[in-house]
Amino acid sequence: QKEVEQDPGPLSVPEGAIVSLNCTYSNSAFQYFMWYRQYSRKGPELLMYTYSSGNKEDGRFTAQVDKSSKYISLFIRDSQPSDSATYLCAVGDNYGQNFVFGPGTRLSVLP
Amino acid sequence: KAGVTQTPRYLIKTRGQQVTLSCSPISGHRSVSWYQQTPGQGLQFLFEYFSETQRNKGNFPGRFSGRQFSNSRSEMNVSTLELGDSALYLCASGDRVQETQYFGPGTRLLVL
Repeated sequence: QKEVEQDPGPLSVPEGAIVSLNCTYSNSAFQYFMWYRQYSRKGPELLMYTYSSGNKEDGRFTAQVDKSSKYISLFIRDSQPSDSATYLCAVGDNYGQNFVFGPGTRLSVLP
Repeated sequence: KAGVTQTPRYLIKTRGQQVTLSCSPISGHRSVSWYQQTPGQGLQFLFEYFSETQRNKGNFPGRFSGRQFSNSRSEMNVSTLELGDSALYLCASGDRVQETQYFGPGTRLLVL
């Protein structure tokens, strides 16, 4: 079993749709949870970061963590064509030394 | 604050050659991690340096090595290049607590 699993997609949605991206992780030692957005041929850009269960909102983006289920989600409201990218989830341990990334979900938002 | 910078951005090498990639972290960050990203394998962790010491290492052969200087800048070296080393090499910087990481734009390496 991989440490972090993520549906690779691709996922295509119409502009304005609500997008739900999900990851599961296997090790309860992970305490930090991140979402990165990566445009083609660019480095990943940190979108959201949290260390507690529950929701964290930032503009159109909401990160949700359920530590009991080892499940993390990213919701994008009012999706835009500029949101078309690969979204990577990542988890980190309590010592800041071990980060594991999901394989990424490729999202296309169609105008 | 300036972001993470990586040089060169693109590189073409032939099999058997060696290559050195450079990374300058965000000012004040002392942790630098290196990752290899390929379409098939995704992001794979190479190693992490903190205050000039390798603190963590991924599962890569010894041909991949790195170092960190006193100013936190880091270099990664790959010797005896193989075709399979063609990838995007990403550097990420973090602070002492390292709750998260910030990535540079990457160096795209093509091995012919």
